[in-house]
Amino acid sequence: QQPVQSPQAVILREGEDAVINCSSSKALYSVHWYRQKHGEAPVFLMILLKGGEQKGHEKISASFNEKKQQSSLYLTASQLSYSGTYFCGTDHGGATNKLIFGTGTLLAVQP
Amino acid sequence: DTAVSQTPKYLVTQMGNDKSIKCEQNLGHDTMYWYKQDSKKFLKIMFSYNNKELIINETVPNRFSPKSPDKAHLNLHINSLELGDSAVYFCASSRYSTGTSYGYTFGSGTRLTVV
Repeated sequence: QQPVQSPQAVILREGEDAVINCSSSKALYSVHWYRQKHGEAPVFLMILLKGGEQKGHEKISASFNEKKQQSSLYLTASQLSYSGTYFCGTDHGGATNKLIFGTGTLLAVQP
Repeated sequence: DTAVSQTPKYLVTQMGNDKSIKCEQNLGHDTMYWYKQDSKKFLKIMFSYNNKELIINETVPNRFSPKSPDKAHLNLHINSLELGDSAVYFCASSRYSTGTSYGYTFGSGTRLTVV
């Protein structure tokens, strides 16, 4: 049931763009995105609710395709500070607000 | 002020010992969680409490017992520690509603090493 993320890892130069995908085998109620830097806690980036909306957070945005049970995170003009492991978290509805986190994508931005 | 605080940050202990990890949040959130992050970085839900009521209890050995004395605190007690319990344990909190979904705020984690 764990959502699958792709790619597993990506290396970028500063200023390049990246896309991280999250795919679930179950119907989604919402998708969360988090970034975790080495040795630190995951930090909430954004949430996408049912409705296929796209959200933005500075140069980081995301989309949600309910039909395909997928979400994508878009990082444009990447900065060194974007480095870290990105996790999607899927909420399949119900009364618990439970998140199942994806397999993670390691992003390294080099100067 | 720290929003979600966990103590201790590091815990090194021998197999067979019993240990506790404490978590407190000052965000006024209704729901608190325990997640385990293993060496492969997978984040796995263990437990969740909503206003002191246990609402998520995943397949976790009985040696793990959560306790929530009030909605701002969630502790995790582990009996008879095993080598496989070594991991980083994260506490998190969020607002709660049956009609929507809210982002989590994580604590800084407790790195547990069982030797």
